[in-house]
Amino acid sequence: EAGVAQSPRYKIIEKRQSVAFWCNPISGHATLYWYQQILGQGPKLLIQFQNNGVVDDSQLPKDRFSAERLKGVDSTLKIQPAKLEDSAVYLCASSLYVAGDGGELFFGEGSRLTVL
Amino acid sequence: AQSVTQLDSHVSVSEGTPVLLRCNYSSSYSPSLFWYVQHPNKGLQLLLKYTSAATLVKGINGFEAEFKKSETSFHLTKPSAHMSDAAEYFCVVRGTGANNLFFGTGTRLTVIP
Repeated sequence: EAGVAQSPRYKIIEKRQSVAFWCNPISGHATLYWYQQILGQGPKLLIQFQNNGVVDDSQLPKDRFSAERLKGVDSTLKIQPAKLEDSAVYLCASSLYVAGDGGELFFGEGSRLTVL
Repeated sequence: AQSVTQLDSHVSVSEGTPVLLRCNYSSSYSPSLFWYVQHPNKGLQLLLKYTSAATLVKGINGFEAEFKKSETSFHLTKPSAHMSDAAEYFCVVRGTGANNLFFGTGTRLTVIP
């Protein structure tokens, strides 16, 4: 079974530039998550999708971050414009179960962003 | 609100000796708790989970954890460390409502040959 795929693995940009990350969850997984992991910290949820609808985006800095999951499969996370403090690993995860009684989350390897 | 506190940011053990990674949780209800492991440049992998069944939970690679409600703890243990256990370990609690996970700050395990 293929795992959660993310790209690119690494990205270096200058502040005020834009960047986009892509995630393809495990086939059949209805729930998709984007987490931000800053160096030395645990991952923090940015946004959670159930199929193509948003379940929770309360921690997403909406002035600069956006995410979509068209057709309820793969997803894109965009940052525009980037700030220095956005340097982090962006983790995508997916889960088979619907929200409220979830099972295991399966994580991708992450996309490491460095903002100079 | 749910949260977890990992008491050690870094633990160092010799190969073949026991491993103890400590985690305390805070929850207003009976929590679901997890341990995830993250090897360098790899994704997070579930080690084990507690969901109000048996208080002693066995996971992969010889790890286990015991849920102690009276101590609000969920410590991770392994009888004998292996070099391949060197990684970052996260204690995690599930939030209410949506299937959201709240991560601790992580414990880096170093295994000395």
